[in-house]
Amino acid sequence: DIQMTQSPSSLSASVGDRVTITCRASQSITTYLNWYQQKPGKAPNLLIYAASSLQSGVPSRFSGSGSGTDFTLTISSLQPGDFATYYCQQSYSTPVTFGQGTKVEIK
Amino acid sequence: EVQLVESGGGLVQPGGSLRLSCAASGFTVSSDYMNWVRQAPGKGLEWVSVIYTGGSTSYADSVKGRFTISRDNSKNMLYLQMNSLRAEDTAVYYCARVPRYWGQGTLVTVSS
Repeated sequence: DIQMTQSPSSLSASVGDRVTITCRASQSITTYLNWYQQKPGKAPNLLIYAASSLQSGVPSRFSGSGSGTDFTLTISSLQPGDFATYYCQQSYSTPVTFGQGTKVEIK
Repeated sequence: EVQLVESGGGLVQPGGSLRLSCAASGFTVSSDYMNWVRQAPGKGLEWVSVIYTGGSTSYADSVKGRFTISRDNSKNMLYLQMNSLRAEDTAVYYCARVPRYWGQGTLVTVSS
């Protein structure tokens, strides 16, 4: 199975901050990488698919980059509704696997 | 509009069984890979099982031999039969057409 490693596991930031979360795959997954946002009690919500494509309806302050094994999710200016847990997920091969999550908290 | 609605969760004793259902609308379950993903309380997302368009299936090692994924094309339903349940199977179970569409989840609690 492909292992996905996210960092950091948690971070504290203020409204307006630029936030970067990284995700590393244990082998090349080309651009088969998705990013999700999850709030307590809710299902994951797709933000970015295919490493850098913004899902319809998702604010443009979210962006994704990377290919191969190293990927990044960037929030350009953190907003109050962005405090949540973020997961990366590879869909290059079965089983699909997820990173362990990054919790973004209010500083 | 695509919708996935899970049901069938609840409290079950260790060693017991439960069948989860996922009602799909807006597309046909046989037209795409359909997954079950779970999330233990306070933990991350864990893939459980997939059924492919051709009907073949795959399982996480942690549930292999105990869980069975299936679908009913005539009812447009996805199922997860869970047998020999353990405390560590306690989680919210999501039906998902990864990556875009997820259900709201159904809670399974395995406890005596």
